[in-house]
Amino acid sequence: EAQVTQNPRYLITVTGKKLTVTCSQNMNHEYMSWYRQDPGLGLRQIYYSMNVEVTDKGDVPEGYKVSRKEKRNFPLILESPSPNQTSLYFCASLKADTQYFGPGTRLTVL
Amino acid sequence: DQQVKQNSPSLSVQEGRISILNCDYTNSMFDYFLWYKKYPAEGPTFLISISSIKDKNEDGRFTVFLNKSAKHLSLHIVPSQPGDSAVYFCAARDRGGTSYGKLTFGQGTILTVHP
Repeated sequence: EAQVTQNPRYLITVTGKKLTVTCSQNMNHEYMSWYRQDPGLGLRQIYYSMNVEVTDKGDVPEGYKVSRKEKRNFPLILESPSPNQTSLYFCASLKADTQYFGPGTRLTVL
Repeated sequence: DQQVKQNSPSLSVQEGRISILNCDYTNSMFDYFLWYKKYPAEGPTFLISISSIKDKNEDGRFTVFLNKSAKHLSLHIVPSQPGDSAVYFCAARDRGGTSYGKLTFGQGTILTVHP
């Protein structure tokens, strides 16, 4: 089954404790991206990757890092999480003109 | 600056009636538009799209209309069903932008279809 998976689905952490949210897709898509969803703001792009070892900033990249060492995986890294990064995060991969989203990771930073 | 706006946070409709969800945009470089549906605890799923060279696209009960001069698009669901109850996001893509593939989303509209 073609899909985008994310782990963990839920995470509660404390300020400053480094964390990684994993994302994997099995569709051999070159383009992948990360979004965050906040009330009243819709989804906003954090980072994207057009292919292996090619990444770039989206609209809200501050406080995040990504890497793309292989085509299927695109982890999101928060080196020093802060409470304003409490949000719902979605990974997506692109086929033709349509992005396909993972199930989401709800992150709470205390 | 919100380039894609969904000004109605919520919409309530009776089963069998038409649901109309609206979306406005400001960036004239947008030339591809999509609607996504999102259920709780799931990721957004693609529903229907329209290119700027068209003014209408249909897929079963779902029709998207695009009015380029007004920078407005709408999603019509006819007839509405209780299973359509979800959050609907409008999204747009700028093919000429430097961020290939990036979608700009509206805030979302919560649709509730009552039996």
